[in-house]
Parts: sequence; C-alpha cells; structure tokens
Amino acid sequence: DGGITQSPKYLFRKEGQNVTLSCEQNLNHDAMYWYRQDPGQGLRLIYYSQIVNDFQKGDIAEGYSVSREKKESFPLTVTSAQKNPTAFYLCASSIRTSGTYNEQFFGPGTRLTVL
Amino acid sequence: SQQGEEDPQALSIQEGENATMNCSYKTSINNLQWYRQNSGRGLVHLILIRSNEREKHSGRLRVTLDTSKKSSSLLITASRAADTASYFCATDGPYNTDKLIFGTGTRLQVFP
Repeated sequence: DGGITQSPKYLFRKEGQNVTLSCEQNLNHDAMYWYRQDPGQGLRLIYYSQIVNDFQKGDIAEGYSVSREKKESFPLTVTSAQKNPTAFYLCASSIRTSGTYNEQFFGPGTRLTVL
Repeated sequence: SQQGEEDPQALSIQEGENATMNCSYKTSINNLQWYRQNSGRGLVHLILIRSNEREKHSGRLRVTLDTSKKSSSLLITASRAADTASYFCATDGPYNTDKLIFGTGTRLQVFP
C-alpha cells in the first residue's frame, strides 16, 4: 500500500524529556511537512522540507527540530524547550512540481501528552 | 499565522439537507484547497480551485471562489451522516507556493 505513516499513535512524555515522532512515506514525494493541531483549532506549520538534507522553519518552530536524511523519512523531535507540547501532530507530504502547488497527503497523526 | 477563517465554526443539519461553509482569507493566492478531517484522524484532500477559476464540482461537492472578496464556499449537497467531520480551507502563501496556510475549520454534524 502506498501512503504516509506516523508512529506512535499515542505518546506520553514526562516534562523535561525529548521525544521523536516518526513520519515515513512511500509515495516518492519530495516535500514533507509537520503540523501541530490544538483542540478545536486549525493546523499550524512547524517545519517543512522540499528536498533531502534541506528544511525550513514554519510558523511555530521554537522547541522543535527535524532532519531529512532520506526522502522517505522526516522525523520530528519535540524538545524540552517546547513549553506546551501536548497536542496532535500531523505529518504530510506532497509532490513538488515547478510552478504548481499540489495537494498534501496526511498521515493519521500522533497524539502527544506531557504528564 | 492563519490566513483563512471558516464560517460558521459549527453547523448541524439533517441528512438530505445541503451544507454550506465559507472561507475568507487575507492576501492574494494562487489556489485554494478544501480538506476534511474526521475526529482524531489526518486530513483528506477534497478539492483544489485555482485563482483563475470561479467554480468547481466534484461529486456532491461544489466550490466557489471570489478573489475580489477573498472568499470561497464549499457546498455539500444531499448530506449524509458520514459527512460528519471538520472541514478546512487552505491557501498557499502570497509569495510562497511551497506551503499551505490552514483556516480554523467548520465542524459539521449531520444527523440521521
């Protein structure tokens, strides 16, 4: 099956700990994205990557870090510097076509709770 | 920052009725997309309309775009209980088509 997967589905973290959320896609998409969604809210962009070994900050990058060593993978680390990390995290990917924007395909999400 | 705002925030209707959701945005766009999200799930792309288009159809969905008013509407005809979900509009940035800016969403409840 082609698609985008996220793991784990639920994650619990103690204050002061770093955690890494996994995102993998086998759609051969160049671009990948991480969003944060708070209850009853829209999506806010954390980081995005258009190509391997390159990524850009989104609107709320503070307290988060990413890497893009492989085309298929875009893990997100929530560091202890993130003051309010409890949220629903969504990963997405899209084809990049020069001059054209395409739809994004989303993973099922990871719900992170800080205890 | 959130570019789009959906209206209403919540909508409850009976099966068979039509549902209309509106989206307003602030800056010029190249295209506007609508997504659906079932509770606790990822988003699913519904339809994309480009800035030079005024109306687009896909099955029971009808999207309109008025760039002069910076607004779009999503109409779901003959709604079903399975249409219960949150619906989001998303626009590309004014000078950057590499990322989307999502609105706050409309929560649609369709009662059987």
